[in-house]
Amino acid sequence: AQRVTQPEKLLSVFKGAPVELKCNYSYSGSPELFWYVQYSRQRLQLLLRHISRESIKGFTADLNKGETSFHLKKPFAQEEDSAMYYCALLTGGGNKLTFGTGTQLKVEL
Amino acid sequence: DAGVIQSPRHEVTEMGQEVTLRCKPISGHDYLFWYRQTMMRGLELLIYFNNNVPIDDSGMPEDRFSAKMPNASFSTLKIQPSEPRDSAVYFCASSPGGRGDSPLHFGNGTRLTVT
Repeated sequence: AQRVTQPEKLLSVFKGAPVELKCNYSYSGSPELFWYVQYSRQRLQLLLRHISRESIKGFTADLNKGETSFHLKKPFAQEEDSAMYYCALLTGGGNKLTFGTGTQLKVEL
Repeated sequence: DAGVIQSPRHEVTEMGQEVTLRCKPISGHDYLFWYRQTMMRGLELLIYFNNNVPIDDSGMPEDRFSAKMPNASFSTLKIQPSEPRDSAVYFCASSPGGRGDSPLHFGNGTRLTVT
């Protein structure tokens, strides 16, 4: 069965420090993975997707099929990065997203 | 575009009462999803619709939960009877294509508290 694991419920870093939010998945098919973000008092929204291989707000994520991981990284954390981050796996024939339990990122000054 | 609209924003009810959550998707989006968010389990997909037809309801926890989509612009999630463990934030989301490359557009959620 498909599964997305985010081992950290809370990650606290100082401003300017590197950030890595971990995500591991379990899926027998060809994975498509995404990161969604929920800022305080805002709606949950798409941050990035692995197929586009883009950098959004300084964040990148590389799909590692060998390690079944899709970790989200940013070299220098900013205060405005504080938010809840969800890793998601596309399944169900391409029609539904399975989310992890989320990681709350807190960037401290 | 107001985006996905959910009502109410907050709902407090007593155990045993019926609860109805409402959602208006973005016009033109063919897919509608209901998610439940809790601290322990994160975001769980409850059910999704394509063109008003339920496609996958395997995430609906019990028979106490039911969802309908009578037309393209309205969906409801009903819990009857409600229990304290149903307390969570319930999100509705819509998508133009259903695939993940058509990103989900989420509503603001309904925070349900069952006492």
